[in-house]
Parts: sequence; structure tokens; C-alpha cells
Amino acid sequence: EIVMTQSPASLPVTPGEPASISCRSSQSLLYSNGFIYLQWYLQKPGQSPQLLIYLGSNRASGVPDRFSGSGSGTDFTLKISRVEPEDVGVYYCGQTLQTPTFGQGTKLEIK
Amino acid sequence: QEQLVESGGGVVQPGRSLTLSCAASGFTFSDYSLHWVRQAPGKGLQWVAFMSSDETNKDYAESVRGRFTISRDKFKNTLHLHMTSLRPDDTAVYYCARDRRRVVTSYIMDVWGQGTTVTVSS
Repeated sequence: EIVMTQSPASLPVTPGEPASISCRSSQSLLYSNGFIYLQWYLQKPGQSPQLLIYLGSNRASGVPDRFSGSGSGTDFTLKISRVEPEDVGVYYCGQTLQTPTFGQGTKLEIK
Repeated sequence: QEQLVESGGGVVQPGRSLTLSCAASGFTFSDYSLHWVRQAPGKGLQWVAFMSSDETNKDYAESVRGRFTISRDKFKNTLHLHMTSLRPDDTAVYYCARDRRRVVTSYIMDVWGQGTTVTVSS
């Protein structure tokens, strides 16, 4: 099983400021076809998860361009260029190179 | 719009069975693989099972293999999860989710239901 580890566990951010969440996988998520099998999901309070980023850096439909994903191999980052109040929630990274597994989550809150 | 609505959750005693359902609408049901993902209270996400669009492929998490069975009814646009030998650690919100890609299974989930709660307790 590929283990996903996120940091930090909690992230207080002032609106308008940038934010960054890290995710590390126990083995490389870069496949021989060049794709990175890493996704980011956001679970807003009281809601179901929603897909933000797929295959490392591709924004899902309707996701604002202030969200971006980067990284390769085993180290990945989700960046929010300017945090909005509606970005509050728990962010999960997840891999799909093998049987899907997720990180433990990073809770973003507004200062 | 694309929608998934789960039902069937409840409180069940350890060792008993329960079947969850997920009604799909707003998209061509037979084009997409579907997944079950669960979230234990206060915990993160755990993928549980999937079934391919053509019903020929299915797979399960190790923790539920042999106890849970996924199925789908293309005439009713509904996905099911039949759970047997339930244990307290199966307690969770169970989400139905659609695979992002048509026909091919990517395990990337782009449409999620609101979830149904299963509590296993005596």
C-alpha cells in the first residue's frame, strides 16, 4: 500500500494571503507514461469531498485558477495563491497509481 | 445536473448485514465506473470498492474483501454495496462517487454523493 503523508495538519491563513500544503508518497507516483497519479480533494465543512486537482497539476472543472498543483516523484504541493473565506475545509491528497489511498488531511482555517 | 444520492444507511449490530444504494442521474450511467469511499468519524477518506462501467471488473479494499459486494443495476441507474459480517470499524459515512473518465477506470472521482451513515454497534 502506498502511504500518503500530508503537512501541516492544520493551516491558519489570513484571507488574501497564499497557502501551501505538502503531500509525500511512500513511493514515486510518476508512471512510465509520464503521468503523475496524484489528486487533491477539498472537503468543505458538512459537505462531500470535491475534486480540485487531478494527475498532479490539472484543475478540475470549475476550480478557480488560484489553486495549483505541482511536484513529481514523491513530493507534491497544493498552492492557493490568495486564500478566500470559502476555501476553508480539509484538503486531502490521494494517489491512484495503485489501490487508491489518501493522506490524513490538512485543515485550512481562516485567521 | 450530475447527481448521486445514497441511501440505506443505519444502525446495525456487529455481524449483521446491510445494503447501501446510490441513485445516479444527470449523466449516462453505463458510461462510467463507480466507486464507494468511506470516512470514519473524524477520520480521513478510505476507498472501499469500484465497479467498471461494463460491470466486468470490480475490486475491493483489503479490509472489506470477502465481506462486501458491489453491484450495479443499469436499468435503474443504481449502484449497490452489500455489506455482510459488519464490524464496529466499518462505522463510517459511505460515499458513492463517479469516476472521472468515461469507459476507462481512472480511480479519480469527480462527482460525489452526499453520503449515507452506517453505524455498527450493539
